[in-house]
Amino acid sequence: GAVVSQHPSRVICKSGTSVKIECRSLDFQATTMFWYRQFPKKSLMLMATSNEGSKATYEQGVEKDKFLINHASLTLSTLTVTSAHPEDSSFYICSATIQGTGANVLTFGAGSRLTVL
Amino acid sequence: AQSVTQPDIHITVSEGASLELRCNYSYGATPYLFWYVQSPGQGLQLLLKYFSGDTLVQGIKGFEAEFKRSQSSFNLRKPSVHWSDAAEYFCAVGDGTSYDKVIFGPGTSLSVIP
Repeated sequence: GAVVSQHPSRVICKSGTSVKIECRSLDFQATTMFWYRQFPKKSLMLMATSNEGSKATYEQGVEKDKFLINHASLTLSTLTVTSAHPEDSSFYICSATIQGTGANVLTFGAGSRLTVL
Repeated sequence: AQSVTQPDIHITVSEGASLELRCNYSYGATPYLFWYVQSPGQGLQLLLKYFSGDTLVQGIKGFEAEFKRSQSSFNLRKPSVHWSDAAEYFCAVGDGTSYDKVIFGPGTSLSVIP
């Protein structure tokens, strides 16, 4: 079946540095990907919709300059947390839709846990 | 805007017992509804979905859910729980512009007693 791969699964960085998280659709093309943030014991908060070849659409309250999203190809979207601070520590999850099957069901990556020291 | 509530933060059941996880939504039109399960270290997995038609939906792993428009509910059920069902369960609703974009409920954590 369709798989969405996220890398890295875990990353630790120093405050002030930038971190890039990759989200890849394996064996299928994804014109749209979604980025979520999940706090411990909390639900998933939609951060932005990533559209291949165009600018991402951010949800209200999400800083687009802090969380840079690039969707340069049909199989890759990246989330860059710029000038990371401890409050950015979280679990980041991406998802993609399998186009062309008629199902339009989201497939999720396993997530990337970011810890900012 | 649409929203989803899951009244039970945590539920504990004995293995073999029946299970019902509650979900209520707020949306003006017919919603697209989903149940996902999240196990530690794994991505979210779709259990079942409702778009239209039969209001009783069968999913994977023996789960089913019933859409009740009058109650704005989409409760998840399983007749006999297995220890491997212990996980976090999320109800979600499509936002109506497309059912690709979904909004998640707060989740219900399920513990299973052997």
